[in-house]
Amino acid sequence: DAGVTQSPTHLIKTRGQQVTLRCSPKSGHDTVSWYQQALGQGPQFIFQYYEEEERQRGNFPDRFSGHQFPNYSSELNVNALLLGDSALYLCASSWRTTGGDQPQHFGDGTRLSIL
Amino acid sequence: KQEVTQIPAALSVPEGENLVLNCSFTDSAIYNLQWFRQDPGKGLTSLLLIQSSQREQTSGRLNASLDKSSGRSTLYIAASQPGDSATYLCATISGGSYIPTFGRGTSLIVHP
Repeated sequence: DAGVTQSPTHLIKTRGQQVTLRCSPKSGHDTVSWYQQALGQGPQFIFQYYEEEERQRGNFPDRFSGHQFPNYSSELNVNALLLGDSALYLCASSWRTTGGDQPQHFGDGTRLSIL
Repeated sequence: KQEVTQIPAALSVPEGENLVLNCSFTDSAIYNLQWFRQDPGKGLTSLLLIQSSQREQTSGRLNASLDKSSGRSTLYIAASQPGDSATYLCATISGGSYIPTFGRGTSLIVHP
């Protein structure tokens, strides 16, 4: 039973470029959430996708966008990269219930470095 | 806006000690609280999930308690081992929004 998988594991970009990160949820999960974790900080919630729609969004600018596919996998896109976007980007999946009372399962993340 | 604070930020102990990690939150209207473990450069592993109606959860040597009225949760680790060395994070999900808020974590080192 594969867990949450993310690709790529590491990525180096320059300011102003665009990047796409990918996530495949754990088998049986239908909800995907994305987080940004700066060094020494806790993860910050970016947004959550369920049934191919963005359901919740944290305090992130429109440069951050996403998509969920019919097979529940998801992409995170970041445009016009800034130095401050350097972070570990984590994807988490869960089985959507009426109350969000299921634990989330996390992937190992994509380490994004902006030069 | 929910704020989650974890104390201490770092902890170094000899093997065998019993430990208490603290997590406090400002808004008591939470749906649940979850404790995670994060190894360096890795993702998060869920340890314990406590629903708002529960007072504690146990898994092996780990026990987490929740006191919503005082805005506190503690993670108790019994008989610590070097393999317990990691960063421990707590996160709350606020009622209604289901947006999780994480603390900065407690970095734990257990030396032999």
